[in-house]
Amino acid sequence: SQTIHQWPATLVQPVGSPLSLECTVEGTSNPNLYWYRQAAGRGLQLLFYSVGIGQISSEVPQNLSASRPQDRQFILSSKKLLLSDSGFYLCAWDPGALRNSPLHFGNGTRLTVT
Amino acid sequence: RKEVEQDPGPFNVPEGATVAFNCTYSNSASQSFFWYRQDCRKEPKLLMSVYSSGNEDGRFTAQLNRASQYISLLIRDSKLSDSATYLCVVNGGRSDMRFGAGTRLTVKP
Repeated sequence: SQTIHQWPATLVQPVGSPLSLECTVEGTSNPNLYWYRQAAGRGLQLLFYSVGIGQISSEVPQNLSASRPQDRQFILSSKKLLLSDSGFYLCAWDPGALRNSPLHFGNGTRLTVT
Repeated sequence: RKEVEQDPGPFNVPEGATVAFNCTYSNSASQSFFWYRQDCRKEPKLLMSVYSSGNEDGRFTAQLNRASQYISLLIRDSKLSDSATYLCVVNGGRSDMRFGAGTRLTVKP
């Protein structure tokens, strides 16, 4: 069966510090991968998605970036965090070959920028 | 207009009650529809897909109305464990999954 791992679970970082969140998927090949952010009391905002290694699409211009160095690995990064980057970050996947499949989420990373 | 709109609630209902949530979407080309459940400070989890003919999973019934561009979720015989936020999700195509802000449900004894 497929599983998705995301870490760390919680993170407190000062403004201006770098960020690296990692997500890996097991049990599937060529998944579509996604990074979402959920601000407190708000809906999910799509940040990045990837349909293959090295292929990244950005939905919202900001100081975050994403990379997919391996088929089942997706990394969210920032060189300098802002206070507004605080939120709940969720990695998700779907089977890229199947259209209209639901997303499956990792456990999320709760980021607080101080 | 938001792409996916939901009544934020909260809906406070007693155990055993029937409760219904609606969700409207703006993209008429949307291809698939889902309801997710999100517990406090947890990740969203798929509750059920929504099919054109409507579908049922135990106490949960989902309906889709393409002409009016809305989907609904009906929960019968509410349990305390149903307390959560319910997210409406609309897929406009690959990598175009749009989430509603969620409807919060509290089931009380």
